[in-house]
Amino acid sequence: QSALTQTPSASGSPGQSVTISCTGTNRDVGGYNYVSWYQQHPGKAPKLMIYEVKKRPSGVPDRFSGSKSGNTAFLTVSGLQPEDEADYYCSSYAGRNYLVFGGGTMLTVL
Amino acid sequence: QVQLVESGGGVVQPGRSLRLSCAASGFNFRNYAMHWVRQAPGKGLEWVALISYDGSKKFYADSVKGRFTISRDNSKNTLFLQMSSLRTEDTAVFYCARDYGEVDFYYHMAVWGTGTTVTVSS
Repeated sequence: QSALTQTPSASGSPGQSVTISCTGTNRDVGGYNYVSWYQQHPGKAPKLMIYEVKKRPSGVPDRFSGSKSGNTAFLTVSGLQPEDEADYYCSSYAGRNYLVFGGGTMLTVL
Repeated sequence: QVQLVESGGGVVQPGRSLRLSCAASGFNFRNYAMHWVRQAPGKGLEWVALISYDGSKKFYADSVKGRFTISRDNSKNTLFLQMSSLRTEDTAVFYCARDYGEVDFYYHMAVWGTGTTVTVSS
């Protein structure tokens, strides 16, 4: 089971929108709707931002949205705010009760 | 409030063993599947293991299969990770995390602990 592929970095100015991608295969991202996204600030534990491709847990701003097309999942952050600067990781179910993470994307708010 | 607190990390020599614990509070621990996830220094997240709510089903990443054992004591609201034959590449912060929903597997980590650091070095 290989890690999912994320672009290492992304950036945007306050108020702009940015989209982060997460590419897998039909054995993980493309095969199941169990894609989640996590936000991690330096030195902190990850936080669940999106689950089941596009659902938001209670308390997560609606500026965060998720989607999927084929073997690629996307996290869009609209109306960027300074506190959105963090590392973002995608995760997917990969069958046989196995999970795989992406390598992470560092989001910079310019 | 809902909380997970890991303990048991430290410095250990290659080939030795270590047991991590994760104390849960603020929710009905016995109803939730639990995960261990690790993060090597400066690296990304890596899923390590998953255990069902009742401890009857256990699953592992290939990188730790046969060396690590996940378990739980629902009477004490505690999750464990027994690590043996440790390697230098096991050096990481280890997080415990609660699965999203009750009883079944949801494969999303809704609650995370603050992590405990394991350093494998001679």
